[in-house]
Formats: sequence, C-alpha cells, structure tokens
Amino acid sequence: DIVMTQTPDSLAVSLGERATINCKSSQNVLYSFNNKNYLAWYQQKPGQPPKLLIYWASTRESGVPDRFSGSGSGTDFTLTVRSLQAEDVAVYYCQQYYSSPLTFGGGTKVEIK
Amino acid sequence: EVHLVDSGGGLVQPGGSLRLSCAASGFTFTDYWMSWVRQAPGKGLEWVANINKEGSEKYYADSVKGRFTISRDNAKNSLYLQMNSLRAEDTAVYYCASSPIFDYWGQGTLVTVSS
Repeated sequence: DIVMTQTPDSLAVSLGERATINCKSSQNVLYSFNNKNYLAWYQQKPGQPPKLLIYWASTRESGVPDRFSGSGSGTDFTLTVRSLQAEDVAVYYCQQYYSSPLTFGGGTKVEIK
Repeated sequence: EVHLVDSGGGLVQPGGSLRLSCAASGFTFTDYWMSWVRQAPGKGLEWVANINKEGSEKYYADSVKGRFTISRDNAKNSLYLQMNSLRAEDTAVYYCASSPIFDYWGQGTLVTVSS
C-alpha cells in the first residue's frame, strides 16, 4: 500500500498570508506512460463532505479560486494557499489514485492566527 | 446539478448488518467508477471499496474485505454497500463518491456500531 504522509498536522496562518502543506508518498505516483502524477488535494470544512481542489497534482478543479495551487512530482507534493482567507479554514487532505488501495494523508488543519 | 444522496445509516449492534444506498443524479452515472469512503468521528478519510462502471470489478480495503460488498444498479443510478459482521471500529460517516478522483461526494450517512 502507498502511505501518504502530510506535514504539518496543523498550522495557523494570518489572513492574507501563505499557507503551505506538504504531502509525501511512500512510492512514486508519477505514471511514466502519460507523465501524470496521480495525486489529488481535498478541502473539508466541519460537517461537510470533502471538496476536490486539485487533481493530477497541479490541475485546479473548476470553480476553485486561483489562490489554491498544487505542485510537486514523484513522491513529494505541496498545496499552497497564496493569500489565506477566512473561508479557507478547514482540514486539507492529499490522496493518491496511482494504485489500489486508494489512500489519503492524515490531514492538515488550517486555522487563522 | 450533481447530487449524491447517501442513506441507510443508523445504530446497529456489533455483529449486525446494514445496507447503505447512494442515489445519483445530475451526471452520467455509468461514466464513473464509484467508491465508498468513510470517516470515523474526529478522524481522517479512509477509502472502503470501489466498483467499476459495469459493476464487474470490485475492490476493498483490507479492513472490510469479506464483510462488506459493494454493488451498483445502473438502471436506477444507485450505489450500495452491504455491511455484515459490523464491528465498533466500523463506526463512521460513510460517503459515496465518484472515483478514483473523488470529484462528486454524497453528504454522508452515519453508521454507529454499539451495544
């Protein structure tokens, strides 16, 4: 199984500042056949289901604000929130879909400082 | 607009059974693999099972293999999860979601396994 490790577990960021979340996979999730990283990011607010933000490691889902961006390749990935807004307070998860079982990181809780 | 409506959760005793349902609308159900994902209270996300578009391929997390069965009825745009031999550690909110990129999610249904 591919283990997804997120850091930090939580972070507090001032409004308008940058939030950076890291995700490391125990195995490569880059498929050489199509040069795509099988990595997605989700945002979950209390009492709600998760919401897809980013897929293929860096493709923003339709309707997601452009302050959210994903980067990285192979085993190391980053979700960046460029200018944190109050509505961005949530738990963020990475997920690999390279192989079964599909696995998630443990989550990163983002709060306002 | 896409809608996934999860239902069937509730309180069940250890060793009991429950069948979850997910009704899909607003998208072409037969174009998607589908999954069940669960979240224990205060915990992270755990993929449980998925099924291919035709319903002929099914995969399970080791934690539920042999106890849970995923199925779908494409004529009814519906996804199901039959859960048998339930344990306390199966207590969670269960979400249906399109797969393997989870772009569509249900609102979740709470399953509580307790005596």
